[in-house]
Amino acid sequence: QVQLVQSGSELKKPGASVKVSCKASGYTFTNYRLNWVRQAPGQGLEWVGWINANTGGPTYAQDFRGRFVFSLDTSVSTAYLQISSLKAEDTAVYYCAREWFGELYNWFDTWGQGTLVTVSS
Amino acid sequence: DIQMTQSPSSLSASVGDRVIITCRASQSISRYLNWYQQKPGKAPQLLIYAASTLQSGVPSRFSGSGSGTDFTLAISSLQPEDFATYFCQQTNSAPLTFGGGTKVEI
Repeated sequence: QVQLVQSGSELKKPGASVKVSCKASGYTFTNYRLNWVRQAPGQGLEWVGWINANTGGPTYAQDFRGRFVFSLDTSVSTAYLQISSLKAEDTAVYYCAREWFGELYNWFDTWGQGTLVTVSS
Repeated sequence: DIQMTQSPSSLSASVGDRVIITCRASQSISRYLNWYQQKPGKAPQLLIYAASTLQSGVPSRFSGSGSGTDFTLAISSLQPEDFATYFCQQTNSAPLTFGGGTKVEI
C-alpha cells in the first residue's frame, strides 16, 4: 500500500540545522509532487512548499524561502526537508504529503506520520 | 495569497447531532477545496476532495458542498470517532492554504 514514513523526532539547539526524511513506498516515486506542511504546537496547518519528484524542482511558500530546502534521493524514493539556522519558532511537527492530481482538481491523499522538531537551548 | 476562513473555530456537540462546518475563500477557487480530519497526535487524513467527492473508505455521513468562495462540510449523525479537528484547504493556486481548523468536541 502507499505509504510515507518519516524520520524520528529531533532536538536541536538554536542556530543548528536539521534534515527530515520522508521515504515513499507502494507507488512510483517520481510520478508525484511531495508537499511539506508545518504544524506548530496547538496550531493549524501551514504549507511549506512542494518538490516535483520527477524534475526535483521546488516551490516554497514565501515565509519559508531561504532557510528551508527540499531535496530528493530518487534511488531510495526519499524526499528531504533541511532547515538551517534553526530558531525556537521552528519548533513544530513537519509532515510530508503526496499530492494526487485528478482530471481537474488536486489534493493530498497520503501523509507521513509527522516528525517533531524541537529547537531549544 | 488566498485566505481560507473556517467557522466556527470550535463547537460542542453530542453523538447523533448534525454538524455543519463552513469554509470561505477570499477569492473564487472553483471547487479546488479539500477537507481533512485530524485526531490528536496523528497526521491529517483526507475526507473530501474537489469540494464534494468522498475519499474512498470515508463514511457516507460526511458530505461536502459548495463552489466559488463558500463551502460546507456536514456530518449527518456525529459518531464518537468523529470528535477531531477539521481543516479545509484550497489547491487553486500556490501558496496552498489551509483554514484555521474547527475542533469538534463533546
